[in-house]
Amino acid sequence: KAGVTQTPRYLIKTRGQQVTLSCSPISGHRSVSWYQQTPGQGLQFLFEYFSETQRNKGNFPGRFSGRQFSNSRSEMNVSTLELGDSALYLCASSDTSGSRTDTQYFGPGTRLTVL
Amino acid sequence: AQSVAQPEDQVNVAEGNPLTVKCTYSVSGNPYLFWYVQYPNRGLQFLLKYITGDNLVKGSYGFEAEFNKSQTSFHLKKPSALVSDSALYFCAVTPLSGSARQLTFGSGTQLTVLP
Repeated sequence: KAGVTQTPRYLIKTRGQQVTLSCSPISGHRSVSWYQQTPGQGLQFLFEYFSETQRNKGNFPGRFSGRQFSNSRSEMNVSTLELGDSALYLCASSDTSGSRTDTQYFGPGTRLTVL
Repeated sequence: AQSVAQPEDQVNVAEGNPLTVKCTYSVSGNPYLFWYVQYPNRGLQFLLKYITGDNLVKGSYGFEAEFNKSQTSFHLKKPSALVSDSALYFCAVTPLSGSARQLTFGSGTQLTVLP
């Protein structure tokens, strides 16, 4: 099976703009989670979608949003970009059961730079 | 709340020597623990997980981890290190109750294997 794919791999934006990142999960996986990775804060959970419904959300401002489509593909959007949003954004998909013991498989990430 | 700690930011080991990357956890009840590895400019790759059962878990690329309930540890080990094992290693835990299923990560340990 193909792994988790994320597009684009690199993005450069300026403050105040908005950005949309895309994630395609492993075929058959219905859960998609997003994480932000920065040198200062490490890996932090953003949100999780399961069968097109947001199941859980991390402690991020409302500028961060996401959605999931019927084919399980997911997008996340960041509006009014700030310098501190510069990070590697990772998407992960997991098996269909939705159990907390499921393994999450990560994509290569999207490197966002905000100038 | 659950958490994991990786007490060492950096571990250096000579090629061919055994390696250990340490992780301790703090949860109530039984933990679900994971190890991931990240190579430069890549996403996270799953190595292994502990759910229940045998305290010694075998994973990918010759890695294994030992779950120790009395010491609340889940150290990652490999009998003979390779230069190609040099990477950033993360320990993670999932919540035991509630609707949340996200991974909570440690701060990461940079492993350098010296030739």
